[in-house]
Amino acid sequence: DVKVTQSSRYLVKRTGEKVFLECVQDMDHENMFWYRQDPGLGLRLIYFSYDVKMKEKGDIPEGYSVSREKKERFSLILESASTNQTSMYLCASTNPGLSSLRSPLHFGNGTRLTVT
Amino acid sequence: AQKVTQAQTEISVVEKEDVTLDCVYETRDTTYYLFWYKQPPSGELVFLIRRNSFDEQNEISGRYSWNFQKSTSSFNFTITASQVVDSAVYFCALSEAGAGNNRKLIWGLGTSLAVNP
Repeated sequence: DVKVTQSSRYLVKRTGEKVFLECVQDMDHENMFWYRQDPGLGLRLIYFSYDVKMKEKGDIPEGYSVSREKKERFSLILESASTNQTSMYLCASTNPGLSSLRSPLHFGNGTRLTVT
Repeated sequence: AQKVTQAQTEISVVEKEDVTLDCVYETRDTTYYLFWYKQPPSGELVFLIRRNSFDEQNEISGRYSWNFQKSTSSFNFTITASQVVDSAVYFCALSEAGAGNNRKLIWGLGTSLAVNP
């Protein structure tokens, strides 16, 4: 079974702090994603990566950056946390294979971040 | 515009009732995939099913069944004889070709299902 592990389940940070959210997958997947989930807004894509050191902006990249130095690890960085970044953050991975259209995502348990 | 609509925000049923979760999508592509995911209270979204745009055959897996109708752009999900363990948020998603290397995955807002004993 694919395992996607997010380093923290709950995190409380102060406004202005630099925050790192870590995600590791153990199935040699090429594609990795960071989403945030908010009530009434569903899942919104922040960034994704389809290879080591490769990244692309999703729908809401402002205020975030990412790092993918190794294939199994995809980090989300909040350079200066703000209260409007309080949210549930979900990491996912997939192996596109012959068609990236059809490959399902494998998700981690999520990190609930509170910025005070 | 591409869009996935899950009109039911919350549904509450009593155990053993059947329940159908609606999903309506919009796309201009002829090749696309539709997905259902389940998010239990633990938080992890779990993949349930995938259906491609060329296969309108309905699918049954245990108590779960899916009805895909291109004529109405719908991909509805039915749980028969619901159980408390079915309580979760269910997401429908549409995958279509995006720019560059990756597809674009469009999510519905989810339907929160509560199955009461």
